Amino acid sequence: QQPVQSPQAVILREGEDAVINCSSSKALYSVHWYRQKHGEAPVFLMILLKGGEQKGHEKISASFNEKKQQSSLYLTASQLSYSGTYFCGTDGGTSYGKLTFGQGTILTVHP
Amino acid sequence: DTAVSQTPKYLVTQMGNDKSIKCEQNLGHDTMYWYKQDSKKFLKIMFSYNNKELIINETVPNRFSPKSPDKAHLNLHINSLELGDSAVYFCASSRTITSYNSPLHFGNGTRLTVT
Repeated sequence: QQPVQSPQAVILREGEDAVINCSSSKALYSVHWYRQKHGEAPVFLMILLKGGEQKGHEKISASFNEKKQQSSLYLTASQLSYSGTYFCGTDGGTSYGKLTFGQGTILTVHP
Repeated sequence: DTAVSQTPKYLVTQMGNDKSIKCEQNLGHDTMYWYKQDSKKFLKIMFSYNNKELIINETVPNRFSPKSPDKAHLNLHINSLELGDSAVYFCASSRTITSYNSPLHFGNGTRLTVT
């Protein structure tokens, strides 16, 4: 079952903040976040495990609420380099490597 | 040093032809994957191999046949290509089969166009 991301697209000015949500109808073991720039491969950002943990990566952080089967990606003080499509990947409650990706959220940061 | 490399980068071919995409990883990972990204950017898993053994085979037409000669290589052969096969195909690898501690490392993709 594909997780659902929201919003589908976000437009920001440099320095603004954004939140991208990822919801699953299935129990989750872990959630992955990736960023893909136009014409490039997806690049790993972080993995979150069940247990409600939060993680940070530069000014990008994420949380995982296993009860709600949701994860959120927080981008603070956005930079031009943050532009791209963000994907969450969920494992559907299994620990072996079948990741199902959401439909993606297009983030555009303007000067 | 490219971690996950796939060739060719672009592939333009006619319907009915057979084509192959090759992938190699030099990360020492155990698990390799093929993902398909369609025109709407939807990334869908096709196959995964762990130490040369097929682990995941999603509902992919049997015109698609993966082959893993060793754990560093995973190739994809496609027979009788159809217009709907046009997409970007990404190879990826992960340290182990377990998703909770193994991020995916993607290759740069092969853009397949079937005319």
